[in-house]
Formats: sequence, C-alpha cells, structure tokens
Amino acid sequence: GQNIDQPTEMTATEGAIVQINCTYQTSGFNGLFWYQQHAGEAPTFLSYNVLDGLEEKGRFSSFLSRSKGYSYLLLKELQMKDSASYLCAVMDSNYQLIWGAGTKLIIKP
Amino acid sequence: EAGVAQSPRYKIIEKRQSVAFWCNPISGHATLYWYQQILGQGPKLLIQFQNNGVVDDSQLPKDRFSAERLKGVDSTLKIQPAKLEDSAVYLCASSTPPRGGTLNEQFFGPGTRLTVL
Repeated sequence: GQNIDQPTEMTATEGAIVQINCTYQTSGFNGLFWYQQHAGEAPTFLSYNVLDGLEEKGRFSSFLSRSKGYSYLLLKELQMKDSASYLCAVMDSNYQLIWGAGTKLIIKP
Repeated sequence: EAGVAQSPRYKIIEKRQSVAFWCNPISGHATLYWYQQILGQGPKLLIQFQNNGVVDDSQLPKDRFSAERLKGVDSTLKIQPAKLEDSAVYLCASSTPPRGGTLNEQFFGPGTRLTVL
C-alpha cells in the first residue's frame, strides 16, 4: 500500500530552526510537495522536490532523497505565524497526491 | 487572479439529511478535485475530474456521495443521506492537467466545514 509518515506534533521556539521529516512508500513518484495549513484554512503550497537535493525558498528549505524515500522541511528564524500544520504529499504514478496526516508545529515565544 | 471559490463555508445538518457543496475552480484549470479532510488527518481524495469527465472516483462512497462537473467548470458535491462520520472539511482544488516534468501544483479553496449532528 501507499504510506506517508510524518510526526504528529512538534514544538519549537521563536527564532529557532526546526526540521520536519517525512518518509514515504508510494506506487511511483512524480514529485514531493509540502503544504502549510493554518487551523481552519485551506492548504497552501510551500515547496516541491522532484530531484534529489535541497530546494531553498527564503526561510523555508526542502530536501529530498528518492533512494531513501525521505524528505524534510527546514524552517529557519521561526516566527509565531509559522504555527500551523505542515503536510507532506507525494504525487504517485497516476499523478494523484498521497497525503500524510500532517505535523502540527507549535511555536513558543 | 481569482482563487478557487467554495460555498457554503459552514454547514450544520442532522444525520439522514442531504447537503450540497459548490466549487468554482481557477479559470482555465481543467482538473478539479474534491477532498475530504477529517480533523487531524491529511486530505483524502474523493473524486478527480478532467474537464467534465471523471478521472478517479475510487474512494467516493457512491451509495451516498455524488459529484458532477457540468460544462467542465463549476462542480457540486452532494451527500444524501448524511452520516455522523461525514463530519469533516470538504476541500475543492484545481490545477492544470498533471503531467511529467511540471510542477503540478494544486490550488485549494477555503473549504466547507460540515457538521452532522
């Protein structure tokens, strides 16, 4: 079966760095997505990896290792507004997104 | 550019009642998705349309859920009759037709929060 695993909840301090891990097993691979979802709102796109390596976008970076079925999202200089759920999703061979349950990130002052 | 529109934003019904949700995708997006997101879980794909044709509805509970996308633009999702376990957020998303070598980003609407009592 297809499976995406990520931690349920993480806590970090304002101004610090946090890494959210995601491991996956899917039927085929056409890219890995990270979405941010604030409580009561829709998911919004953060990053996309299709090749191995690191993609950097401002305070957010995402890493992919296809051989290990592993990705992480790195958030730097954490701000209170970064408190949200972070969803890892893999696009499978049918170009459908397989979603993880999300990691709830709590930022403390 | 206008985003994905959904209505209503909130709906409270009693079990065994019927409910319908509406979605208007981003202009030009041929692919439309309906997801169900239960609290604390990731989105679950219910149905995917390409223009007005169904690409995948394998996870749609067809005994009570139905969806249509007439004219390949707006879409409606209906539940009849509703059960307690249908309480969730129903998200509509749209994209250009997914294919290799492209970003294939899905854009989400604000969702409809359904509570079944």
